[in-house]
Amino acid sequence: DAKTTQPNSMESNEEEPVHLPCNHSTISGTDYIHWYRQLPSQGPEYVIHGLTSNVNNRMASLAIAEDRKSSTLILHRATLRDAAVYYCILSRPYNNNDMRFGAGTRLTVKP
Amino acid sequence: DADVTQTPRNRITKTGKRIMLECSQTKGHDRMYWYRQDPGLGLRLIYYSFDVKDINKGEISDGYSVSRQAQAKFSLSLESAIPNQTALYFCATSVFPLGQGRTGELFFGEGSRLTVL
Repeated sequence: DAKTTQPNSMESNEEEPVHLPCNHSTISGTDYIHWYRQLPSQGPEYVIHGLTSNVNNRMASLAIAEDRKSSTLILHRATLRDAAVYYCILSRPYNNNDMRFGAGTRLTVKP
Repeated sequence: DADVTQTPRNRITKTGKRIMLECSQTKGHDRMYWYRQDPGLGLRLIYYSFDVKDINKGEISDGYSVSRQAQAKFSLSLESAIPNQTALYFCATSVFPLGQGRTGELFFGEGSRLTVL
């Protein structure tokens, strides 16, 4: 299974942009890149996903490297509510059963 | 009300007891999943079901069983609980992903914390 590598933790200041990196050097051509986050005492929630092109939604942006071996989740203005564990996951089309949630990156947002 | 509801939210039990964790959903999704979360290990898939007649083992199914009683209900059982099954358990649902770009977002419940003494 293709795996992802993320830093264990990152810190950010409130209202500043945050760039959360993810390496996935063994990604296959059909793997989608997903990001979920888990707020304290809650289940994970979907943030964004993409295949090749950069993606934007109301929560975040996803920048995907041209060779697709890495990606970056961008929070444009971090808030205290964005403090969470962020998971970068690869998944084949039409499958959810192959989603592997690793340890993720714990983001701390300082006021 | 939550779309994906797990009961109980917290449970303390003793080694050897049978435990059932229940999950119900109002999202109308066909697919349901049970995950386990341990500190530092992320979430690991225990079982998943793509419809009422379809049950599949995940990464760590040993010591667990499941029942899909209806489209909306998916239960996880520990026939004889042991201390290393102490963990936070999550149920999730998704639709079958149709169309390009749809990969089937997972919707999680709030979790059931199980402690086995």
